[in-house]
Amino acid sequence: DGGITQSPKYLFRKEGQNVTLSCEQNLNHDAMYWYRQDPGQGLRLIYYSQIVNDFQKGDIAEGYSVSREKKESFPLTVTSAQKNPTAFYLCASSRITGGAETQYFGPGTRLLVL
Amino acid sequence: AQKVTQAQTEISVVEKEDVTLDCVYETRDTTYYLFWYKQPPSGELVFLIRRNSFDEQNEISGRYSWNFQKSTSSFNFTITASQVVDSAVYFCALNQGGKLIFGQGTELSVKP
Repeated sequence: DGGITQSPKYLFRKEGQNVTLSCEQNLNHDAMYWYRQDPGQGLRLIYYSQIVNDFQKGDIAEGYSVSREKKESFPLTVTSAQKNPTAFYLCASSRITGGAETQYFGPGTRLLVL
Repeated sequence: AQKVTQAQTEISVVEKEDVTLDCVYETRDTTYYLFWYKQPPSGELVFLIRRNSFDEQNEISGRYSWNFQKSTSSFNFTITASQVVDSAVYFCALNQGGKLIFGQGTELSVKP
């Protein structure tokens, strides 16, 4: 099946701990994205990547880091610098960046702070 | 600045009623794309439709229809004869330069 997978479904973080959220796609898409969703709100862009080994900050990149070593994978690390990490995190991909391209989303990871 | 407004936070209807979800956007660009996504309780966003700024033709897909009016900067979504399975949060989004700008979402509850 072609699609986007995210793991884990639920993740718990202790104070001062870095955690990494996984995102994998087998759609052969060039562009990948990370969004954060808070309760009752829309999605906000954290980071995006148009090509392997390159990525750009979105609107709320502080406290997060990413890597893009493979076309299929775009992991997101929530660092201890992110003071309010509790949220629903969604990964997306598209064939290329640009207004015409539709972004397709994974099932999401819910991050909770202990 | 680009912005998407979904003024209806929550809507509750009874099955078989028609319901319209409103979306108003702001942009200075002449070329842009608009999207609707559905987010069921499972959380995954499901793509419904994409519309470019040069195509004002309304679209119908089964019980779903979309009305794009550039003059009022609106891209409204109507569900005809709603069903319980339509219960979800619906997001309107504007894409400029590869970035999706989302509205706050409208939570639709369809009761049997």
